[in-house]
Amino acid sequence: AQSVTQPDIHITVSEGASLELRCNYSYGATPYLFWYVQSPGQGLQLLLKYFSGDTLVQGIKGFEAEFKRSQSSFNLRKPSVHWSDAAEYFCAVGVRAGTASKLTFGTGTRLQVTL
Amino acid sequence: NAGVTQTPKFRVLKTGQSMTLLCAQDMNHEYMYWYRQDPGMGLRLIHYSVGEGTTAKGEVPDGYNVSRLKKQNFLLGLESAAPSQTSVYFCASSYDPQGQADTQYFGPGTRLTVL
Repeated sequence: AQSVTQPDIHITVSEGASLELRCNYSYGATPYLFWYVQSPGQGLQLLLKYFSGDTLVQGIKGFEAEFKRSQSSFNLRKPSVHWSDAAEYFCAVGVRAGTASKLTFGTGTRLQVTL
Repeated sequence: NAGVTQTPKFRVLKTGQSMTLLCAQDMNHEYMYWYRQDPGMGLRLIHYSVGEGTTAKGEVPDGYNVSRLKKQNFLLGLESAAPSQTSVYFCASSYDPQGQADTQYFGPGTRLTVL
């Protein structure tokens, strides 16, 4: 069965500093990979996704992620963090279930941004 | 478009009571999903639907029932609520016409407490 590991439960960075959130997945076939962000009290918003092609994926809000098959990783990066980026970030792997795509989520990384 | 909406936003139940959570989407999506989110566990899939009149079990279906009588609505029912069902419930919808990775759009969530 597929699984997703986000090894960092909580990360604190200073505003303007760079950010990397780690995500490792386990899945036998080519994965569909996603990063979602959840602001406090809100639903989840898609930041970016990978399903084929270029392994460096650009998303919204200045985020990017790189798919590395050899390392089973899909780490999220941002060169300069803004205070509004404080939120919880979820990595997910999508697998086919008949005609549907089911997501398996990691446990999330909470990002705190200090001014 | 309102996107994905959920009713109610908050609810407190006593053990043994029943209730129904309503999810509605106005994007004409074929697929709909119910997740629960618990601290430190990410989101877990309860049930999903690949079209009007169809439902299927997800990762944690026990204690829940669902119905998809209309394409735009997906109902989640708790017949006899238990404290273990205290959680935040998220509905999502997606559409995948060509078998590619599909993006799930999430509602704002329903916070349920079972006493």
